[in-house]
Amino acid sequence: DAKTTQPNSMESNEEEPVHLPCNHSTISGTDYIHWYRQLPSQGPEYVIHGLTSNVNNRMASLAIAEDRKSSTLILHRATLRDAAVYYCILRPLWGGSQGNLIFGKGTKLSVKP
Amino acid sequence: DTGVSQDPRHKITKRGQNVTFRCDPISEHNRLYWYRQTLGQGPEFLTYFQNEAQLEKSRLLSDRFSAERPKGSFSTLEIQRTEQGDSAMYLCASRSEGGELFFGEGSRLTVL
Repeated sequence: DAKTTQPNSMESNEEEPVHLPCNHSTISGTDYIHWYRQLPSQGPEYVIHGLTSNVNNRMASLAIAEDRKSSTLILHRATLRDAAVYYCILRPLWGGSQGNLIFGKGTKLSVKP
Repeated sequence: DTGVSQDPRHKITKRGQNVTFRCDPISEHNRLYWYRQTLGQGPEFLTYFQNEAQLEKSRLLSDRFSAERPKGSFSTLEIQRTEQGDSAMYLCASRSEGGELFFGEGSRLTVL
């Protein structure tokens, strides 16, 4: 299964943008890039996903490098509620366990007031 | 609330006892997943159902673990003869047609 590499932790100030990086140098052409986050004492929550093009939704933006070997989750204005562990995950379109996401340790984001 | 619900939220048991967790997925989702999460780690896949069929089981799912989804709706995860190493958060998720997983809040197991 393709692996991702993320920093263990990052800090941000409230109301500032946050760029969370993810490296996935062994990504295949049919792997989707998914991001989930997990707030304290809760189950993971879907944030965003993409294949090749940058994506925006109400929670965040996903910027995907042209070679697809890295991606960045962008929170445009961090709030205290965004403090969580953020997971970058590759999900194959074909084969494997459809929807079986393999989580790493993720990036723990701290947001300072 | 139409999200994924899990019961019980917390379970404390003595080593050697059996425990059962229940998961009610989002009603229109036919795929259901169980994960386990220990402190400081990401969730680890245990097993996956499409409707009532259990299509995949992880190597983590020893023979003391069994999962069912008898009518393709709710699912149960039973752990027999619990060990202290089974202490973890057990997470259930159901999957939308778009591929996103929706997780419940988990069932935390403590084995004394």
